[in-house]
Amino acid sequence: GAGVSQSPSNKVTEKGKDVELRCDPISGHTALYWYRQRLGQGLEFLIYFQGNSAPDKSGLPSDRFSAERTGESVSTLTIQRTQQEDSAVYLCASSFSNFMRTGPSGANVLTFGAGSRLTVL
Amino acid sequence: QKEVEQNSGPLSVPEGAIASLNCTYSDRGSQSFFWYRQYSGKSPELIMFIYSNGDKEDGRFTAQLNKASQYVSLLIRDSQPSDSATYLCAVKSADGRRALTFGSGTRLQVQP
Repeated sequence: GAGVSQSPSNKVTEKGKDVELRCDPISGHTALYWYRQRLGQGLEFLIYFQGNSAPDKSGLPSDRFSAERTGESVSTLTIQRTQQEDSAVYLCASSFSNFMRTGPSGANVLTFGAGSRLTVL
Repeated sequence: QKEVEQNSGPLSVPEGAIASLNCTYSDRGSQSFFWYRQYSGKSPELIMFIYSNGDKEDGRFTAQLNKASQYVSLLIRDSQPSDSATYLCAVKSADGRRALTFGSGTRLQVQP
């Protein structure tokens, strides 16, 4: 697609429920990233995928969080047994590659989706 | 120590003035540096990237990088009220095997 697409745009859930957030990256982008942004805060890295390499899960805050990506396409971020502190905007971004230094064309810069706003009551 | 540090602001400047936004980073091996702008309630959008020491200009924006001091800045000339937003500094490590690390952002307010 033309941009990074995320769904749902808004999700309100009850504490203890599981939620799934979806990200559809820009076609041809091999790298995909999930970040979390709490209200008034900066971006907190969660996980990233690069092609068929093992994902970097070092940012996931607990084992309630997991993410999958099939090949170079759609990714799903799952949060199990949601807690109120999980309330945030979950941002997905994609780029051509994370391994190459950004060239003059900026081909490897991240493009963000509009985000999924999660509210846990 | 945070990996990427920014003053949270708000930084308030009058319309037409130069706004100077600063960022320091801890990983000396970092190679690429990015400035993103984020309007309230919106997702970040790229303004500029820089990877060589010195200045890089694009319209009203100038990015400055000093790797010896581990410092990167963004200058906005002729600031406009529409520039009011949060500016996020982001850094990529040398090996490229880590995702972009973001600072917490500086909120800029341009007063008409």
